[in-house]
Amino acid sequence: DAGVIQSPRHEVTEMGQEVTLRCKPISGHDYLFWYRQTMMRGLELLIYFNNNVPIDDSGMPEDRFSAKMPNASFSTLKIQPSEPRDSAVYFCASSFSLGVGGYTFGSGTRLTVV
Amino acid sequence: AQSVTQLDSQVPVFEEAPVELRCNYSSSVSVYLFWYVQYPNQGLQLLLKYLSGSTLVKGINGFEAEFNKSQTSFHLRKPSVHISDTAEYFCAVRPSGNTGKLIFGQGTTLQVKP
Repeated sequence: DAGVIQSPRHEVTEMGQEVTLRCKPISGHDYLFWYRQTMMRGLELLIYFNNNVPIDDSGMPEDRFSAKMPNASFSTLKIQPSEPRDSAVYFCASSFSLGVGGYTFGSGTRLTVV
Repeated sequence: AQSVTQLDSQVPVFEEAPVELRCNYSSSVSVYLFWYVQYPNQGLQLLLKYLSGSTLVKGINGFEAEFNKSQTSFHLRKPSVHISDTAEYFCAVRPSGNTGKLIFGQGTTLQVKP
């Protein structure tokens, strides 16, 4: 398996633009997580899905953020409109059965909003 | 709710010296404990985990950790570090059983000097 695949690796956008981050989890994993990493706040869980259904989105910072998982092999995190304070590294992770065996993380998307 | 405190934000150490990265957690229920490593510009990788049983767990790359329930700690150790161990290390906790989400500490940067 190629692991958790995120795209793009880097994204630079202007304030106010829409940004879409993409994630392909490991086949067979039934949980998918979106994390945001910044120097100030560390790793924050934004939202997670179980069998494509959002379970907990309490970490989503504002209505500007939305996430979808239309099928077991694809998820998106969208920011609209983007702001400079959204600049961070966004990680997607997947796991089998809530991660007793650990989560598998993607390489992340480094987002810069100018 | 659970929380994780990593007591040191940075740990400098010379190559071939021993190292301990400290982690304390807070929880009103029993927990699973994890250590992850993040190399520069990469996602997180699972180093080791404690689910139950022996309180001393061994992981990859020569790392081990000891679960101490009375002190609510899960410190990570390595008897002799290499330059390649330079990375950020995250302690994480989640409730045992099939519920709950993984909560990460703020991370400890291990800097191995030649």
